[in-house]
Amino acid sequence: GENVEQHPSTLSVQEGDSAVIKCTYSDSASNYFPWYKQELGKRPQLIIDIRSNVGEKKDQRIAVTLNKTAKHFSLHITETQPEDSAVYFCAARRGGYNFNKFYFGSGTKLNVKP
Amino acid sequence: DAGVTQSPTHLIKTRGQQVTLRCSPKSGHDTVSWYQQALGQGPQFIFQYYEEEERQRGNFPDRFSGHQFPNYSSELNVNALLLGDSALYLCASSVRTSAQQPQHFGDGTRLSIL
Repeated sequence: GENVEQHPSTLSVQEGDSAVIKCTYSDSASNYFPWYKQELGKRPQLIIDIRSNVGEKKDQRIAVTLNKTAKHFSLHITETQPEDSAVYFCAARRGGYNFNKFYFGSGTKLNVKP
Repeated sequence: DAGVTQSPTHLIKTRGQQVTLRCSPKSGHDTVSWYQQALGQGPQFIFQYYEEEERQRGNFPDRFSGHQFPNYSSELNVNALLLGDSALYLCASSVRTSAQQPQHFGDGTRLSIL
């Protein structure tokens, strides 16, 4: 099955700096990669996603890049703000019959210091 | 438009007991997936239901079972509870026929085993 690894496990940045979180996946059939933000005690919220036919996607301060050849994708947050502090999870889903089965990374705890 | 709703919010049980958790998917969604999220970890896939049948299953023992009803709502049952079953149980819904679409999560049920 799919194996998703996420790094780093914790990340501390100064307000205004950029933050980058990286994930690798093992199954070349995976074709959809969402990123979720989970604040303490709350549900995971989708913040951005990317499909395998696209190399990069941007939404205001958040961007995701995908390298299919190397099987890795990254989340980039620019001009970080204290409210960006949360745990971020990457996920991968393969196409085909199993297309609704998601595999999650272990999470990155982002701390943005004011 | 109601999102994914789960009940109860919190539950306390003792070892050996049985528990039933409930989930109503987002309007228009027909697929329900259940995840177990231990403290400090990413969500782990338990199983997925659509058309009232279990379609995918993660690496969880038979003590974990489920059901989906004609209205697409779902239940997760756990028998012979162990201390290690203490976790946040998340339900996520999606549309089976829409590949490369995100799952939407509920707020979860916090299960504590004493």
